Amino acid sequence: KQEVTQIPAALSVPEGENLVLNCSFTDSAIYNLQWFRQDPGKGLTSLLLIQSSQREQTSGRLNASLDKSSGRSTLYIAASQPGDSATYLCAASDSWGKFQFGAGTQVVVTP
Amino acid sequence: KAGVTQTPRYLIKTRGQQVTLSCSPISGHRSVSWYQQTPGQGLQFLFEYFSETQRNKGNFPGRFSGRQFSNSRSEMNVSTLELGDSALYLCASSLEMSGGYTFGSGTRLTVV
Repeated sequence: KQEVTQIPAALSVPEGENLVLNCSFTDSAIYNLQWFRQDPGKGLTSLLLIQSSQREQTSGRLNASLDKSSGRSTLYIAASQPGDSATYLCAASDSWGKFQFGAGTQVVVTP
Repeated sequence: KAGVTQTPRYLIKTRGQQVTLSCSPISGHRSVSWYQQTPGQGLQFLFEYFSETQRNKGNFPGRFSGRQFSNSRSEMNVSTLELGDSALYLCASSLEMSGGYTFGSGTRLTVV
């Protein structure tokens, strides 16, 4: 059974600092790895989707890498802003498209 | 392009009642998945429907059920509501295996 872990559970950084969020998974036979952002009381917003044949994806200030052999994905957010404050979740899917979510990392960016 | 639409946004129900939540996926998406999110348990998978068939099911009691219609819209039903069913219920649609999930804004259910 796939298990997804995100450490740390919470993170606070000053504005302008780069953010590094970690996600580890136990079964390397994943199909997709997807990163989401969730604001309090809201749904999940997709940030980046990395398919199993890819090593990384980039969108603006966001970059996500995937290393299936080590069971890790990392989300980098450059030059953090207070608007980046949210909970970030990663999810790994199997070949049926079923996703297993991590518990998330709660990020606070202080002005 | 319309996103995933969940209705209603908020619900307050009394213990013992039943409730039906609705989810309209992105046009062309045939897979719809449902999740329950609570502060203590995080995101927990309820079930997934694809082309009107339940393809995957999580570890929830039989009080939780769902269905999918021919237009891919999905409903989930919870019967005999308990206080512990209070949660944010999220629906996600996807293009089979290749597209990843797109989530709706959720339905906040409060059971009193």
